[in-house]
Amino acid sequence: ILNVEQSPQSLHVQEGDSTNFTCSFPSSNFYALHWYRWETAKSPEALFVMTLNGDEKKKGRISATLNTKEGYSYLYIKGSQPEDSATYLCASVFSARQLTFGSGTQLTVLP
Amino acid sequence: NAGVTQTPKFQVLKTGQSMTLQCAQDMNHEYMSWYRQDPGMGLRLIHYSVGAGITDQGEVPNGYNVSRSTTEDFPLRLLSAAPSQTSVYFCASSEQGYYTEAFFGQGTRLTVV
Repeated sequence: ILNVEQSPQSLHVQEGDSTNFTCSFPSSNFYALHWYRWETAKSPEALFVMTLNGDEKKKGRISATLNTKEGYSYLYIKGSQPEDSATYLCASVFSARQLTFGSGTQLTVLP
Repeated sequence: NAGVTQTPKFQVLKTGQSMTLQCAQDMNHEYMSWYRQDPGMGLRLIHYSVGAGITDQGEVPNGYNVSRSTTEDFPLRLLSAAPSQTSVYFCASSEQGYYTEAFFGQGTRLTVV
């Protein structure tokens, strides 16, 4: 079983702070990297799907980068807001058909 | 557009009972999958399907069966429920395998007593 690791497990930031977290994955047999946002009592929603080394994606104040050679992706949130509080999941695709998820980073933004 | 619909949202079963978790999507997606979510762990793949009539096992398939008779529906069957199957179950679909984003249902919280 190939492991996808996310760090930190949880963090608290103040409103207005910028933050980032990491997703690490085995670099061999890499196909794609997904990021999802998962709010309490809801279902995960996709943020980004990235496939190429050096990919950078942005959606509003959230952005992500991908390094497939060293096996990591960063998710950045600029100027965190309380509504950004959620668990952020990454998932790597090692074969053409299966997502392998990390355990998530739980973000709490304090007003 | 309903997306991915799961039923029921909550279920309590006694050990040894069987049941079916329903999943339907209206986006004409070929790829569908079932995951379970346990505390401290990531979503783990139970079974998946790449199209009608085609299913395969994921990471944790034991105790579960699936079938895919139509593009829209992908039910998950618990054959003989065990307390270890207490979990939150999510169904997901995607348009073109996992190069495209997955859409998730609302989840089913299952308790086996």
